[in-house]
Amino acid sequence: DVKVTQSSRYLVKRTGEKVFLECVQDMDHENMFWYRQDPGLGLRLIYFSYDVKMKEKGDIPEGYSVSREKKERFSLILESASTNQTSMYLCASSSPGLAGPRVGQFFGPGTRLTVL
Amino acid sequence: KQEVTQIPAALSVPEGENLVLNCSFTDSAIYNLQWFRQDPGKGLTSLLLIQSSQREQTSGRLNASLDKSSGRSTLYIAASQPGDSATYLCAAGGSYIPTFGRGTSLIVHP
Repeated sequence: DVKVTQSSRYLVKRTGEKVFLECVQDMDHENMFWYRQDPGLGLRLIYFSYDVKMKEKGDIPEGYSVSREKKERFSLILESASTNQTSMYLCASSSPGLAGPRVGQFFGPGTRLTVL
Repeated sequence: KQEVTQIPAALSVPEGENLVLNCSFTDSAIYNLQWFRQDPGKGLTSLLLIQSSQREQTSGRLNASLDKSSGRSTLYIAASQPGDSATYLCAAGGSYIPTFGRGTSLIVHP
């Protein structure tokens, strides 16, 4: 059974704190993604990675950084959390060119982050 | 740039109805088209994926079709149930990054 896990379902942090969101996938996927989802704005891509130590900015990278030291793990870092980063954060993974049950994009359960 | 539109944005139907959710995309050069379900406060669950060379996929009461030439996909839900209430999103798959629609919020009332 394919799986993407995220380190926390709910997280409450204070303004200015450094925040780490962790994502792990067990499907040997090359690509990993971080999105945020806000009411009325849909899914917005923050960063993605197509290989270990490789990263590309998405549509809204400002205020975020990422780290991918191992193929299965992709971390999202908020260097100094702000209230406008309160959101649902979703991690996903995919692998291009596959057939069968591992094809397509797979999502984790999400982390609801509140910054006070 | 790929744009994906889902119509309607919201839908409320009585239990037992057959219904169709629509997804349109502007660039037909897609790798695949994927349909997801999202329950409130949860992540996205993959329902069906249609490869660009395919026309449709079926899983239980769900059937998804793809017409690349017209830039459209539909998700057909047969004999809807209250448990089908959720938001349904489609995503047009590119080389690395899929483009998502805003979703259709479905309520099936008993």
